[in-house]
Amino acid sequence: AQSVAQPEDQVNVAEGNPLTVKCTYSVSGNPYLFWYVQYPNRGLQFLLKYITGDNLVKGSYGFEAEFNKSQTSFHLKKPSALVSDSALYFCAVRGMNTGFQKLVFGTGTRLLVSP
Amino acid sequence: GAVVSQHPSWVICKSGTSVKIECRSLDFQATTMFWYRQFPKQSLMLMATSNEGSKATYEQGVEKDKFLINHASLTLSTLTVTSAHPEDSSFYICSATSDRVFSYEQYFGPGTRLTVT
Repeated sequence: AQSVAQPEDQVNVAEGNPLTVKCTYSVSGNPYLFWYVQYPNRGLQFLLKYITGDNLVKGSYGFEAEFNKSQTSFHLKKPSALVSDSALYFCAVRGMNTGFQKLVFGTGTRLLVSP
Repeated sequence: GAVVSQHPSWVICKSGTSVKIECRSLDFQATTMFWYRQFPKQSLMLMATSNEGSKATYEQGVEKDKFLINHASLTLSTLTVTSAHPEDSSFYICSATSDRVFSYEQYFGPGTRLTVT
């Protein structure tokens, strides 16, 4: 069965500092990995994905993520955090053999960027 | 990016009544739509997957007679919560995708907050 772990409930970072939101996964076969962001009372917005190719994936709003197969991780990163990045971030995985593109989400990590 | 809308964004209903939530893909034809439920400060729980013109596939533990899903066209799916009770109060989010257009990502609607009194 597929699973995603986001070990941190909340990450605090000062504006201008780099940020990392951690994600590890478990899936049979090669994974399809995703990051989404959710603002209060809103749906999820797609940030980036890893399907194949370069391990470093660049996405929206200056975010990037690094796929590490040996560590089964897909951490989200940004070189310089903005206060407006404060939101809830979800990592998700889909196994290659999963029908109907079913995603399994992590529990979410709340990012708080202080001025 | 692709746009998915939901209506209504917020609904309050009395216990025992039914509520219908619409999910529309505005600029693409969605071959598959998903319905999720999100409790406060928790992750998304997939309720069901629906393909246009076929019956929805419900996740284990989701009552299909209580949560009726209809995917009547390539741009519209509806979730009807029948005989709603206070424990059905939640944030319901739909997502949509197209095998022909997207490389595996789903696009999410803004969500519908249901409060049952």
